[in-house]
Amino acid sequence: DAMVIQNPRYQVTQFGKPVTLSCSQTLNHNVMYWYQQKSSQAPKLLFHYYDKDFNNEADTPDNFQSRRPNTSFCFLDIRSPGLGDAAMYLCATGSRDIYNGYTFGSGTRLTVV
Amino acid sequence: DAKTTQPPSMDCAEGRAANLPCNHSTISGNEYVYWYRQIHSQGPQYIIHGLKNNETNEMASLIITEDRKSSTLILPHATLRDTAVYYCIESGGSNYKLTFGKGTLLTVNP
Repeated sequence: DAMVIQNPRYQVTQFGKPVTLSCSQTLNHNVMYWYQQKSSQAPKLLFHYYDKDFNNEADTPDNFQSRRPNTSFCFLDIRSPGLGDAAMYLCATGSRDIYNGYTFGSGTRLTVV
Repeated sequence: DAKTTQPPSMDCAEGRAANLPCNHSTISGNEYVYWYRQIHSQGPQYIIHGLKNNETNEMASLIITEDRKSSTLILPHATLRDTAVYYCIESGGSNYKLTFGKGTLLTVNP
């Protein structure tokens, strides 16, 4: 089945040590999104790619970066994780051409120690 | 910022219909209304979406008012597994981002 896959499901990283989360999709959607979701809060959009065009949300910290080497893959890089970056990170995909909804991955839960 | 408003919580008895309201009074003509739900510690799950006509699928029905300023998601026979946070979101046209509001925590009780 076409889907959005996030790896790993759980990630533990040390304070200040760079970490990369990955997302892949088999839907061939042109838009990919990264969300951060802290405990008991709604998902918060960090940035998205429309094809190769990167779109950052105004309040996303510089500590968060993203790469999209091809249509299928997108990465979230946290350059120097702090304790406040512990959260669930969600990847989603969407298509401008087909209004059939947006598909989310299962998320990566990041713990910073 | 999210432009929809939903009650923070609702209860429903198992087997009964759950009717979840949403106000989206500033929705533009080419924006759809999307409903997602999120069960604890999982990614949001797509439920249904609509533009101006009522919609039904295997999961739910969506009733959109004629002026499009509000909608109701209906789960016809709620089960315990429908306990989740339900999000109503506007998206479409030039707005292709999903911006989440606080959603409604639906608790289905035995």
